[in-house]
Amino acid sequence: NAGVTQTPKFQVLKTGQSMTLQCAQDMNHEYMSWYRQDPGMGLRLIHYSVGAGITDQGEVPNGYNVSRSTTEDFPLRLLSAAPSQTSVYFCASSYIGGLKYGYTFGSGTRLTVV
Amino acid sequence: RKEVEQDPGPFNVPEGATVAFNCTYSNSASQSFFWYRQDCRKEPKLLMSVYSSGNEDGRFTAQLNRASQYISLLIRDSKLSDSATYLCVVNQAGTALIFGKGTTLSVSS
Repeated sequence: NAGVTQTPKFQVLKTGQSMTLQCAQDMNHEYMSWYRQDPGMGLRLIHYSVGAGITDQGEVPNGYNVSRSTTEDFPLRLLSAAPSQTSVYFCASSYIGGLKYGYTFGSGTRLTVV
Repeated sequence: RKEVEQDPGPFNVPEGATVAFNCTYSNSASQSFFWYRQDCRKEPKLLMSVYSSGNEDGRFTAQLNRASQYISLLIRDSKLSDSATYLCVVNQAGTALIFGKGTTLSVSS
């Protein structure tokens, strides 16, 4: 049982490069989201989706794009990487009605932008 | 004002101690409440949900006071393995989970 799978686990980018962080879940969860975690800042919501074809912005969406073409996948795209995007990124999912039960998280992607 | 605020920590306690973490939230429309545990460089994992009636899971007890918008977590008989960061988390209907910054617990022998 894979749960939520994130790839890659580690990535180093140069300023201005673009890349896509992958997130896939096999639990048929409708709700998926991306968080970033920085020292002293806690987890902050970037984007979320309540189902295929539906996405919305969270607290810190600038510099990131998302799409949700299938229930399983929710990739996060960095359009032009900046050092301020150095962070740990977590993908999480849940049943819509199960939000009251919390999320299942992926193991994270550690991104460094130089 | 931050939506979810926690004790800043860190808490350094000996094995066997009882320790309590507090959390306040700003949105009275919040409907679901949780404590998550996060180990160093790992993903957060659900520790327990928090109910108005209070709930217990082994050595862990969670309390919710809706009137005061206050959540607590009590850990009894602390173990070395309890060392982690504890995140207070709140959900408003139809929106994402909002995380506190976390409180770090270090249990020493």
